[in-house]
Amino acid sequence: NAGVTQTPKFRILKIGQSMTLQCAQDMNHNYMYWYRQDPGMGLKLIYYSVGAGITDKGEVPNGYNVSRSTTEYFPLRLELAAPSQTSVYFCASSYEGSYEQYFGPGTRLTVT
Amino acid sequence: AQSVTQPDIHITVSEGASLELRCNYSYGATPYLFWYVQSPGQGLQLLLKYFSGDTLVQGIKGFEAEFKRSQSSFNLRKPSVLWSDAAEYFCAVGAAGGSYIPTFGRGTSLIVHP
Repeated sequence: NAGVTQTPKFRILKIGQSMTLQCAQDMNHNYMYWYRQDPGMGLKLIYYSVGAGITDKGEVPNGYNVSRSTTEYFPLRLELAAPSQTSVYFCASSYEGSYEQYFGPGTRLTVT
Repeated sequence: AQSVTQPDIHITVSEGASLELRCNYSYGATPYLFWYVQSPGQGLQLLLKYFSGDTLVQGIKGFEAEFKRSQSSFNLRKPSVLWSDAAEYFCAVGAAGGSYIPTFGRGTSLIVHP
């Protein structure tokens, strides 16, 4: 049981490039989430999903897109990367009806 | 909507000393409350949670927290801190019957001196 996995661990992008952050979970959780973490700012919710085919915006969705075609995967797409997207990104999942979240190890992204 | 305040950005303690990290929440009804720990370079890990019942909850790694409704607080405690407890600690709150998206505090960084 791997839990929540994220790839890559680190990435450097140039301004204007695009990339997809991968997230997978093997716990059959319906709910999945993407957060970004900036120093001293805690976690900001980007997007979340309550099941395959259902996604919704969080607090800071601009510049990002998501899709959820299966229960297991919840990729986060960055289009036209900007320096403001330099951050650590965490994927998390939870059982339906539970606030208890399981987190991946994170992806550290730098946009220069 | 619920909110969470962690008043202390940094806390410094000596190894073996006791610890209390503060968390205050704002929510009209009984909240669901959580403490998570984030070790350097890692994701968040659940330490403990409170849903209902006994207001003193025990968690992993020797941590405990007490829910005090009158003070809207859920402070995290440990009687004797280890050097390995140095990490970032996050308090989170959820609303019963809500969207199941918790609200996280900004975190408290724990520094432990040997």
